[in-house]
Amino acid sequence: SQTIHQWPATLVQPVGSPLSLECTVEGTSNPNLYWYRQAAGRGLQLLFYSVGIGQISSEVPQNLSASRPQDRQFILSSKKLLLSDSGFYLCAWSSWLGYTFGSGTRLTVV
Amino acid sequence: TQLLEQSPQFLSIQEGENLTVYCNSSSVFSSLQWYRQEPGEGPVLLVTVVTGGEVKKLKRLTFQFGDARKDSSLHITAAQPGDTGLYLCAGGRISGGSNYKLTFGKGTLLTVNP
Repeated sequence: SQTIHQWPATLVQPVGSPLSLECTVEGTSNPNLYWYRQAAGRGLQLLFYSVGIGQISSEVPQNLSASRPQDRQFILSSKKLLLSDSGFYLCAWSSWLGYTFGSGTRLTVV
Repeated sequence: TQLLEQSPQFLSIQEGENLTVYCNSSSVFSSLQWYRQEPGEGPVLLVTVVTGGEVKKLKRLTFQFGDARKDSSLHITAAQPGDTGLYLCAGGRISGGSNYKLTFGKGTLLTVNP
């Protein structure tokens, strides 16, 4: 069966510090992968998606970047965090039936 | 940008009551999905509907996709406290050849009081 792992679960980082969130998928090959941000427990905003190794599409201009160094690994990064980067970050992979989400990372920038 | 409007945004009811949540858009989607999310967790897929007019039932939950594939509804019968959570609808479209992208509504936060 397919599983998705996302870590860390919570993170508190000072303004200006770097960020690296990692997501890995098991049980499937060449998945489409996504990073979403959710504000205040409401709707999800698509940040990045990837259809293959090294292929990254950005949906919104922002302080973040994404990379896909391996088929089942998706990384969300920032060189210098801003206060506005705080939020709940979710990784997901997709099939025709729907999306499977990771358990999320709660990022607080202080 | 395709927008999905969910209503109501907040709903607080007593155990045993029935409720309906709506998801509307001016755009046509190839599929419509409903997710349920609990605090601090990722959304979990409840159902996918792909055919206009389709109705799916999942125990006490009934999902309907509009004939024009622009809207959907979720009906819960005899709600229970365990139904409490954020209900998100999401419309799916093929984009860029192989990518299946979802557009999410802002969700309906349901609280079922015992």
